[in-house]
Amino acid sequence: KQEVTQIPAALSVPEGENLVLNCSFTDSAIYNLQWFRQDPGKGLTSLLLIQSSQREQTSGRLNASLDKSSGRSTLYIAASQPGDSATYLCAVSDGGATNKLIFGTGTLLAVQP
Amino acid sequence: DAGVIQSPRHEVTEMGQEVTLRCKPISGHDYLFWYRQTMMRGLELLIYFNNNVPIDDSGMPEDRFSAKMPNASFSTLKIQPSEPRDSAVYFCASRNGQGASYEQYFGPGTRLTVT
Repeated sequence: KQEVTQIPAALSVPEGENLVLNCSFTDSAIYNLQWFRQDPGKGLTSLLLIQSSQREQTSGRLNASLDKSSGRSTLYIAASQPGDSATYLCAVSDGGATNKLIFGTGTLLAVQP
Repeated sequence: DAGVIQSPRHEVTEMGQEVTLRCKPISGHDYLFWYRQTMMRGLELLIYFNNNVPIDDSGMPEDRFSAKMPNASFSTLKIQPSEPRDSAVYFCASRNGQGASYEQYFGPGTRLTVT
């Protein structure tokens, strides 16, 4: 059974720092991996999707990498801003044709001004 | 596009009452997913539909839960009777197509409180 873990559970950094969020999964036979952002009381916003054949994806200050063989993904946020404060969730597809998502527990990020 | 629309945004009800949550997926999306989020269990998939047909309901916790999708633009998740342990945020998500490059788009969620 696929299990997804995110470390750390919470992170506080000063504005301007570069930071890395980690996601690990137990079954490397994934179809894709998605990183989401969730603001308090809100839904999930998709940030990046990495297909199993890809190594990384970039969007603005965000860069996500994927190492399927080791069961790991990282989300790199450059020059963090207070507006980046949110919970970040990674999710892997179940490897089947349906792309059912299995979510990690999330990392709560606080960027201090 | 307005994105995935869910209603109501908040629902407070008493134990034993019937609760109906509603979802309108993004137009043209052929997959619809219902998730539940709690502090204890995180985000869990309850059921998903493809072209209005339920494909996998293995995540539905009990027979008290049921979901329907009468047409491509509307789905409901019903709990009857509701219990306090059903209190959670329920999300609906939709996707266009099947494949490794296709993202799921989430609605704002319905926060359900059962007293």
